[in-house]
Amino acid sequence: GNSVTQMEGPVTLSEEAFLTINCTYTATGYPSLFWYVQYPGEGLQLLLKATKADDKGSNKGFEATYRKETTSFHLEKGSVQVSDSAVYFCALRTGANNLFFGTGTRLTVIP
Amino acid sequence: GAGVSQSPSNKVTEKGKDVELRCDPISGHTALYWYRQSLGQGLEFLIYFQGNSAPDKSGLPSDRFSAERTGGSVSTLTIQRTQQEDSAVYLCASSLSGLRSGNTIYFGEGSWLTVV
Repeated sequence: GNSVTQMEGPVTLSEEAFLTINCTYTATGYPSLFWYVQYPGEGLQLLLKATKADDKGSNKGFEATYRKETTSFHLEKGSVQVSDSAVYFCALRTGANNLFFGTGTRLTVIP
Repeated sequence: GAGVSQSPSNKVTEKGKDVELRCDPISGHTALYWYRQSLGQGLEFLIYFQGNSAPDKSGLPSDRFSAERTGGSVSTLTIQRTQQEDSAVYLCASSLSGLRSGNTIYFGEGSWLTVV
């Protein structure tokens, strides 16, 4: 079946620290992979995506590389800001008309 | 509208009562999705509408759950005889067309349902 496992939170970092949120997946076929973010008081929004192996998705300083050999799509940012405080969700799609999500990781960045 | 709109934003109901949750998708979006997020769980797919096609109901957890989409726009998710395990955030999303074509999915802020 299809499933996503992501790093449990919460994660608390100081401003300008390096961020990694781990995500691994199980999927039939060749999935597309996504990171969604939910800022306080807002709806989920797409942060970045990668549609095939070795692709790197990037946006707002965040990056994630689609690693087929390790079935992973870890989210990274070199220097986090207070405004990055949010809940981050890893997700996959295998061609059906829905997304499979992880449980979410809450990130809090303190000044 | 500018985004996906959901109402109510919060709902507290007594066990055994019926509830209706409403979703107004982005104008022009033909695909509409309902997801549920229970405490500590990922987002669970419930149902998907695409244009005039028959909806994909494969994610509905029981026959107490139903959804309709009138006129290809607004959708209502109905939960009958609510149980405490139905307490969750119910998220609606829409996209320009189905995900197969690679369109981005846009989410509403969710309806927080608490069954007491």
